[in-house]
Amino acid sequence: DADVTQTPRNRITKTGKRIMLECSQTKGHDRMYWYRQDPGLGLRLIYYSFDVKDINKGEISDGYSVSRQAQAKFSLSLESAIPNQTALYFCATSPPTSGSPLYNEQFFGPGTRLTVL
Amino acid sequence: AQKVTQAQTEISVVEKEDVTLDCVYETRDTTYYLFWYKQPPSGELVFLIRRNSFDEQNEISGRYSWNFQKSTSSFNFTITASQVVDSAVYFCALISNSGNTPLVFGKGTRLSVIA
Repeated sequence: DADVTQTPRNRITKTGKRIMLECSQTKGHDRMYWYRQDPGLGLRLIYYSFDVKDINKGEISDGYSVSRQAQAKFSLSLESAIPNQTALYFCATSPPTSGSPLYNEQFFGPGTRLTVL
Repeated sequence: AQKVTQAQTEISVVEKEDVTLDCVYETRDTTYYLFWYKQPPSGELVFLIRRNSFDEQNEISGRYSWNFQKSTSSFNFTITASQVVDSAVYFCALISNSGNTPLVFGKGTRLSVIA
């Protein structure tokens, strides 16, 4: 089983609809991230969370909200989807401490392709 | 502020040619990590390498090699004898060792290897 899973993998929705993208991980990492990828723009950070009680805005948080329901779950919501939110969305996790040999490495989910019509 | 620049948007090579993907970064931190990720047409992100800012040794892994030069703030990636399966988008990324700032990505370089 994959360590970082995202549901759904593909979603087509209409303008104005509320959408939730879910991310779950079995890696035991405290830190979780949501990124958005658009062609030619690379990955841009939407929100990140360093633990269950910590939520931080990233570069492009407008129009999005998140919920960290548990250490293993981090959801991204689009309250009222608009066409320019059509993109590939990635969830990622990373270990919390410098004591880990994997410190600072991020582990990515498979991505969710969202289309807003 | 941290920044990663991948000036090459798209590169096209013929199979078996060598190709170098450039990555230039900016940071005020003295300790940081640099990464390369590969994104094949299927869309997933594949981790290729992580390099600590204290380790300037070049690294070779099969047909892949990385040239890290702090003097020019560059972390370039070379594929030797390219193959069609190397066709992908490649991302360079940077993170501070403080661990309190997220990973910063370049915009990616799309490599097309033609048979």
